[in-house]
Amino acid sequence: KQEVTQIPAALSVPEGENLVLNCSFTDSAIYNLQWFRQDPGKGLTSLLLIQSSQREQTSGRLNASLDKSSGRSTLYIAASQPGDSATYLCASRGDTDKLIFGTGTRLQVFP
Amino acid sequence: GAVVSQHPSWVICKSGTSVKIECRSLDFQATTMFWYRQFPKQSLMLMATSNEGSKATYEQGVEKDKFLINHASLTLSTLTVTSAHPEDSSFYICSARGLSFYEQYFGPGTRLTVT
Repeated sequence: KQEVTQIPAALSVPEGENLVLNCSFTDSAIYNLQWFRQDPGKGLTSLLLIQSSQREQTSGRLNASLDKSSGRSTLYIAASQPGDSATYLCASRGDTDKLIFGTGTRLQVFP
Repeated sequence: GAVVSQHPSWVICKSGTSVKIECRSLDFQATTMFWYRQFPKQSLMLMATSNEGSKATYEQGVEKDKFLINHASLTLSTLTVTSAHPEDSSFYICSARGLSFYEQYFGPGTRLTVT
């Protein structure tokens, strides 16, 4: 059974810092891995989706990498801003065709 | 990207009553819809998966007679929480996927409070 874990659970940083959020999964037989952002009391916003054949994806200040063999993905946020404050969730999709979500990282960027 | 809506965004009901939550795909046909629940400061847990015109497939531990799911059209799925109790209070999020793409799009969620 796939288990997805995110470290750290919470992170508080000053504005401008570069950040790395970690996601690990136990079953490397995944089709893709996706990163989401969730604001308090809101739904999910998809940030990046990495196919199993890809190593990384980039969108603006965000870069996500995938290493299937080690069961890890990282989300890199460059030059963090207060508006980046949210919970970040990673989710893997495997042969069950279901998204298995990680435990989340609550990020706070203060001015 | 594709848009998924949910209604209502929040609802308060008394214990023992039933509540219906709607999930709509606004600009695409959703062949598959997913229902999740999320407790405070926890991640999303899949409750059930439904394909248009078919019965929903429930995850282990989810009571199908309590959480009724209907996916009668390609743009609408409903979740009915029957005989709600305070422990059913949670954030319910739906997600939809179309036939031509595998990415899921999520609704804004519905906050259910049972008093």
